[in-house]
Amino acid sequence: KAGVTQTPRYLIKTRGQQVTLSCSPISGHRSVSWYQQTPGQGLQFLFEYFSETQRNKGNFPGRFSGRQFSNSRSEMNVSTLELGDSALYLCASSLDPGLAEAFFGQGTRLTVV
Amino acid sequence: QQQVKQSPQSLIVQKGGISIINCAYENTAFDYFPWYQQFPGKGPALLIAIRPDVSEKKEGRFTISFNKSAKQFSLHIMDSQPGDSATYFCAASMRQGGSYIPTFGRGTSLIVHP
Repeated sequence: KAGVTQTPRYLIKTRGQQVTLSCSPISGHRSVSWYQQTPGQGLQFLFEYFSETQRNKGNFPGRFSGRQFSNSRSEMNVSTLELGDSALYLCASSLDPGLAEAFFGQGTRLTVV
Repeated sequence: QQQVKQSPQSLIVQKGGISIINCAYENTAFDYFPWYQQFPGKGPALLIAIRPDVSEKKEGRFTISFNKSAKQFSLHIMDSQPGDSATYFCAASMRQGGSYIPTFGRGTSLIVHP
């Protein structure tokens, strides 16, 4: 069974640009969450989607957005990139949002220059 | 406000020794406590998890000890091996809007010397 797949693995963007990251959950998993991981702030929750609806959102500015498609695949978008957005962006999927067990992908390493 | 405090930040253990990582939480609404293992260049992998209705859970060389009254839980790695060298994150989760949302500790970098 394939794990959570995130694409691309690495990205370099210029300040002010926007970026879209993609996440394909484990087959059958319907809930997708996104996290930002940085050395300074650790792992921080961005948002969670289920049935194409955002159910929870972390404490991030509106430049961070996401969506989920009918096949449970998810994308997150960051607009007007700032240097501080450089981070490892992780996606996690779970069978159901009511289940606590979640499985992470390898992440997308975003560097903003 | 850091809701989950993890210590130590780094840990060096000899092969065969016991690695102990501690976490403390503040919000009593948390009801699921997982530990994740992360190798460089990889995403965190769920290692072991516990619910507050039990005080200990063991899976192979990994044991979680849970103290509900003290709001603390710890990960014990018995017979530590060089292959265990990784960063370990504790987390505390609770239901928000019908979904489990974790709050993570800052992580512990474990090095096991051969």
